[in-house]
Amino acid sequence: GESVGLHLPTLSVQEGDNSIINCAYSNSASDYFIWYKQESGKGPQFIIDIRSNMDKRQGQRVTVLLNKTVKHLSLQIAATQPGDSAVYFCAERLNYQLIWGAGTKLIIKP
Amino acid sequence: EAGVVQSPRYKIIEKKQPVAFWCNPISGHNTLYWYRQNLGQGPELLIRYENEEAVDDSQLPKDRFSAERLKGVDSTLKIQPAELGDSAVYLCASSLSSNEQFFGPGTRLTVL
Repeated sequence: GESVGLHLPTLSVQEGDNSIINCAYSNSASDYFIWYKQESGKGPQFIIDIRSNMDKRQGQRVTVLLNKTVKHLSLQIAATQPGDSAVYFCAERLNYQLIWGAGTKLIIKP
Repeated sequence: EAGVVQSPRYKIIEKKQPVAFWCNPISGHNTLYWYRQNLGQGPELLIRYENEEAVDDSQLPKDRFSAERLKGVDSTLKIQPAELGDSAVYLCASSLSSNEQFFGPGTRLTVL
Protein backbone atom coordinates (compact mmCIF):
# COMPACT_ATOMS: atom_id res chain seq x y z
CA GLY A 1 0.00 0.00 0.00
CA GLU A 2 1.00 3.62 -0.39
CA SER A 3 2.89 5.16 2.51
CA VAL A 4 1.26 8.06 4.35
CA GLY A 5 4.71 9.57 4.51
CA LEU A 6 4.65 10.26 0.73
CA HIS A 7 1.93 12.88 1.14
CA LEU A 8 4.10 15.75 2.28
CA PRO A 9 2.34 19.06 2.91
CA THR A 10 3.39 21.34 0.07
CA LEU A 11 3.74 25.09 -0.15
CA SER A 12 4.06 26.64 -3.58
CA VAL A 13 5.21 30.26 -3.81
CA GLN A 14 6.22 32.66 -6.54
CA GLU A 15 9.89 33.48 -6.79
CA GLY A 16 10.52 36.74 -4.95
CA ASP A 17 7.53 36.39 -2.64
CA ASN A 18 7.79 35.67 1.06
CA SER A 19 7.21 32.11 2.31
CA ILE A 20 5.71 31.14 5.63
CA ILE A 21 6.03 27.55 6.81
CA ASN A 22 4.14 26.52 9.91
CA CYS A 23 4.70 23.82 12.46
CA ALA A 24 2.76 22.65 15.50
CA TYR A 25 4.87 21.11 18.23
CA SER A 26 3.73 18.73 20.88
CA ASN A 27 5.49 19.30 24.19
CA SER A 28 5.06 22.35 26.41
CA ALA A 29 8.31 21.43 28.18
CA SER A 30 10.44 21.67 25.01
CA ASP A 31 13.12 24.29 25.56
CA TYR A 32 14.67 24.70 22.14
CA PHE A 33 13.41 24.66 18.58
CA ILE A 34 15.20 24.34 15.27
CA TRP A 35 14.33 24.65 11.61
CA TYR A 36 16.17 22.43 9.15
CA LYS A 37 16.25 22.47 5.38
CA GLN A 38 16.69 19.22 3.47
CA GLU A 39 17.44 19.20 -0.23
CA SER A 40 16.97 16.06 -2.29
CA GLY A 41 19.71 13.52 -1.65
CA LYS A 42 21.25 15.48 1.21
CA GLY A 43 21.08 15.45 4.98
CA PRO A 44 19.15 18.12 6.90
CA GLN A 45 20.90 21.48 7.15
CA PHE A 46 20.48 23.85 10.10
CA ILE A 47 18.72 27.11 9.23
CA ILE A 48 17.84 28.87 12.46
CA ASP A 49 17.03 28.10 16.06
CA ILE A 50 15.15 29.72 18.92
CA ARG A 51 15.03 29.11 22.65
CA SER A 52 11.78 28.88 24.54
CA ASN A 53 12.39 32.16 26.36
CA MET A 54 12.20 34.04 23.07
CA ASP A 55 9.33 34.65 20.66
CA LYS A 56 11.19 35.85 17.61
CA ARG A 57 14.62 35.46 16.09
CA GLN A 58 15.94 36.77 12.80
CA GLY A 59 18.68 35.51 10.54
CA GLN A 60 19.67 36.29 7.02
CA ARG A 61 16.40 36.31 5.04
CA VAL A 62 14.80 34.04 7.63
CA THR A 63 12.75 34.71 10.74
CA VAL A 64 11.45 32.19 13.25
CA LEU A 65 8.43 32.97 15.40
CA LEU A 66 7.48 30.99 18.48
CA ASN A 67 4.04 31.07 20.08
CA LYS A 68 4.17 28.95 23.21
CA THR A 69 0.52 29.59 24.07
CA VAL A 70 -0.66 27.54 21.11
CA LYS A 71 2.57 25.54 20.64
CA HIS A 72 3.19 26.92 17.19
CA LEU A 73 6.39 27.64 15.33
CA SER A 74 6.76 29.36 11.97
CA LEU A 75 9.58 29.99 9.54
CA GLN A 76 9.43 33.03 7.33
CA ILE A 77 11.68 33.23 4.27
CA ALA A 78 11.94 36.64 2.65
CA ALA A 79 12.25 37.06 -1.12
CA THR A 80 12.12 33.33 -1.83
CA GLN A 81 14.69 32.11 -4.33
CA PRO A 82 14.89 28.92 -6.44
CA GLY A 83 17.63 27.66 -4.11
CA ASP A 84 15.11 27.65 -1.28
CA SER A 85 13.32 24.67 -2.83
CA ALA A 86 13.56 21.87 -0.30
CA VAL A 87 11.71 20.08 2.47
CA TYR A 88 11.66 22.06 5.71
CA PHE A 89 11.47 20.37 9.09
CA CYS A 90 10.87 21.85 12.49
CA ALA A 91 12.29 20.05 15.50
CA GLU A 92 11.73 20.53 19.23
CA ARG A 93 14.19 19.54 21.91
CA LEU A 94 12.89 17.71 24.95
CA ASN A 95 15.29 16.20 27.47
CA TYR A 96 18.21 16.62 25.02
CA GLN A 97 16.37 14.64 22.34
CA LEU A 98 15.16 16.20 19.09
CA ILE A 99 11.60 15.41 18.07
CA TRP A 100 11.00 16.11 14.42
CA GLY A 101 7.87 17.25 12.62
CA ALA A 102 6.73 15.70 9.35
CA GLY A 103 8.17 18.30 6.98
CA THR A 104 6.81 20.75 4.42
CA LYS A 105 7.91 20.76 0.83
CA LEU A 106 8.55 24.25 -0.54
CA ILE A 107 8.18 24.67 -4.30
CA ILE A 108 9.26 27.86 -6.03
CA LYS A 109 7.34 28.94 -9.10
CA PRO A 110 9.34 30.95 -11.65
CA GLU B 1 36.15 22.36 7.51
CA ALA B 2 35.08 18.87 6.41
CA GLY B 3 31.54 17.91 7.26
CA VAL B 4 30.17 14.60 8.45
CA VAL B 5 31.25 11.84 6.09
CA GLN B 6 29.18 8.72 5.49
CA SER B 7 29.71 5.69 3.33
CA PRO B 8 28.45 4.10 1.29
CA ARG B 9 26.01 6.59 -0.19
CA TYR B 10 23.80 3.85 -1.60
CA LYS B 11 23.40 0.19 -0.77
CA ILE B 12 21.12 -2.43 -2.31
CA ILE B 13 20.90 -5.80 -0.64
CA GLU B 14 18.57 -8.76 -0.50
CA LYS B 15 16.57 -9.42 2.64
CA LYS B 16 18.28 -11.49 5.31
CA GLN B 17 21.70 -10.17 4.27
CA PRO B 18 23.86 -8.11 6.64
CA VAL B 19 24.76 -4.49 5.95
CA ALA B 20 26.99 -1.91 7.63
CA PHE B 21 27.17 1.86 7.45
CA TRP B 22 30.13 3.98 8.42
CA CYS B 23 30.26 7.53 9.77
CA ASN B 24 33.13 9.92 10.39
CA PRO B 25 31.91 12.92 12.43
CA ILE B 26 33.24 16.46 12.36
CA SER B 27 36.58 16.64 14.11
CA GLY B 28 36.19 17.44 17.79
CA HIS B 29 32.48 16.65 17.98
CA ASN B 30 31.97 14.38 20.97
CA THR B 31 28.31 13.58 20.31
CA LEU B 32 27.32 11.31 17.45
CA TYR B 33 23.83 10.33 16.35
CA TRP B 34 22.40 7.70 14.04
CA TYR B 35 18.97 8.40 12.57
CA ARG B 36 16.67 6.55 10.20
CA GLN B 37 14.59 8.59 7.79
CA ASN B 38 11.69 7.21 5.80
CA LEU B 39 10.46 8.95 2.68
CA GLY B 40 8.62 12.17 3.47
CA GLN B 41 9.19 11.92 7.20
CA GLY B 42 11.52 13.47 9.71
CA PRO B 43 14.54 11.57 11.01
CA GLU B 44 14.01 9.15 13.89
CA LEU B 45 16.80 8.76 16.40
CA LEU B 46 18.26 5.27 16.65
CA ILE B 47 21.20 5.88 18.98
CA ARG B 48 23.19 8.72 20.49
CA TYR B 49 26.81 8.51 21.63
CA GLU B 50 28.66 10.78 24.02
CA ASN B 51 32.26 9.98 23.14
CA GLU B 52 32.37 6.17 23.06
CA GLU B 53 29.37 5.65 25.34
CA ALA B 54 25.90 4.96 23.97
CA VAL B 55 23.78 7.22 26.18
CA ASP B 56 20.47 6.72 24.40
CA ASP B 57 19.76 3.55 22.44
CA SER B 58 16.13 3.17 23.47
CA GLN B 59 14.90 3.36 19.87
CA LEU B 60 17.45 0.94 18.44
CA PRO B 61 15.88 -2.44 17.47
CA LYS B 62 18.44 -4.48 19.29
CA ASP B 63 17.42 -7.83 17.86
CA ARG B 64 18.93 -6.92 14.50
CA PHE B 65 20.65 -3.54 14.83
CA SER B 66 23.97 -2.85 16.49
CA ALA B 67 26.29 0.12 16.63
CA GLU B 68 29.72 0.88 17.90
CA ARG B 69 31.99 3.87 18.39
CA LEU B 70 35.06 2.20 19.80
CA LYS B 71 37.49 5.12 19.97
CA GLY B 72 34.93 7.87 20.35
CA VAL B 73 35.38 9.09 16.78
CA ASP B 74 34.14 6.97 13.84
CA SER B 75 31.03 4.87 14.19
CA THR B 76 29.51 1.88 12.46
CA LEU B 77 25.84 0.91 12.35
CA LYS B 78 25.03 -2.67 11.40
CA ILE B 79 21.85 -4.49 10.49
CA GLN B 80 21.82 -8.27 10.54
CA PRO B 81 19.71 -9.67 9.04
CA ALA B 82 18.08 -6.91 7.01
CA GLU B 83 14.32 -6.91 6.43
CA LEU B 84 12.25 -5.25 3.71
CA GLY B 85 11.04 -2.62 6.18
CA ASP B 86 14.59 -1.48 6.85
CA SER B 87 14.69 0.31 3.51
CA ALA B 88 15.31 3.96 4.41
CA VAL B 89 17.98 6.62 4.52
CA TYR B 90 20.35 6.24 7.47
CA LEU B 91 21.71 9.56 8.61
CA CYS B 92 24.64 10.26 10.87
CA ALA B 93 24.98 13.57 12.69
CA SER B 94 27.48 15.03 15.12
CA SER B 95 27.54 17.93 17.55
CA LEU B 96 29.48 19.51 20.38
CA SER B 97 27.52 18.17 23.33
CA SER B 98 23.80 18.83 22.74
CA ASN B 99 24.19 21.84 20.52
CA GLU B 100 23.47 22.19 16.81
CA GLN B 101 23.63 18.88 14.97
CA PHE B 102 25.45 18.63 11.66
CA PHE B 103 24.23 15.91 9.33
CA GLY B 104 26.00 13.79 6.80
CA PRO B 105 24.50 13.06 3.36
CA GLY B 106 23.09 9.72 4.51
CA THR B 107 23.16 6.18 3.17
CA ARG B 108 20.15 5.15 1.15
CA LEU B 109 19.44 1.48 1.86
CA THR B 110 17.20 -0.58 -0.38
CA VAL B 111 16.30 -4.08 0.77
CA LEU B 112 14.89 -6.32 -1.95
